[in-house]
Amino acid sequence: EAGVTQFPSHSVIEKGQTVTLRCDPISGHDNLYWYRRVMGKEIKFLLHFVKESKQDESGMPNNRFLAERTGGTYSTLKVQPAELEDSGVYFCASGGLVAGGTYEQYFGPGTRLTVT
Amino acid sequence: AQSVTQLGSHVSVSEGALVLLRCNYSSSVPPYLFWYVQYPNQGLQLLLKYTSAATLVKGINGFEAEFKKSETSFHLTKPSAHMSDAAEYFCAVSVNSGYSTLTFGKGTMLLVSP
Repeated sequence: EAGVTQFPSHSVIEKGQTVTLRCDPISGHDNLYWYRRVMGKEIKFLLHFVKESKQDESGMPNNRFLAERTGGTYSTLKVQPAELEDSGVYFCASGGLVAGGTYEQYFGPGTRLTVT
Repeated sequence: AQSVTQLGSHVSVSEGALVLLRCNYSSSVPPYLFWYVQYPNQGLQLLLKYTSAATLVKGINGFEAEFKKSETSFHLTKPSAHMSDAAEYFCAVSVNSGYSTLTFGKGTMLLVSP
């Protein structure tokens, strides 16, 4: 079974440019999460999709960030225009039931975004 | 509101020595607690989780953690470190078994020397 994949693995852009990050969840997982880790700080929640609907977007830092999940499959996170403080690692996770009936979030490898 | 504090951004041990990574939490409701590990260039992998059943939780790769409500702690231990354990470890708390958002600590990098 393929895990959560993220593209690109690294992105270097200049301040003011636009970047779009993509996340492909595990097939069949309705729940998709975005998190971000700024260097030296903790991993912080950004938002949670259930299928194509935003269940919780309380962690989105400002309106320069736009997340979409058309059709309830893959998701994109667009940053426009990018600022220096947006640099960090963006993680995507998808959630589903595991053996024993418990729930688990599975994380992708992250996209490292550097804004110069 | 919930929060997690991981003491020590870096912990160094010798191969074969005890591993102890500290995690303290704050939660206004009964917590669900998790330990994740991140190996280089990989995503976070769940090591173990506490979901209000047994207070001593056993996870993968020989790791275990004990929930101590009186100390608001969920420290991660392994009796004997292997070189392959070198990675970054994250403690996290949630209000349920993982469906809602995870609140993470800052992470602890475990360094294992021969």
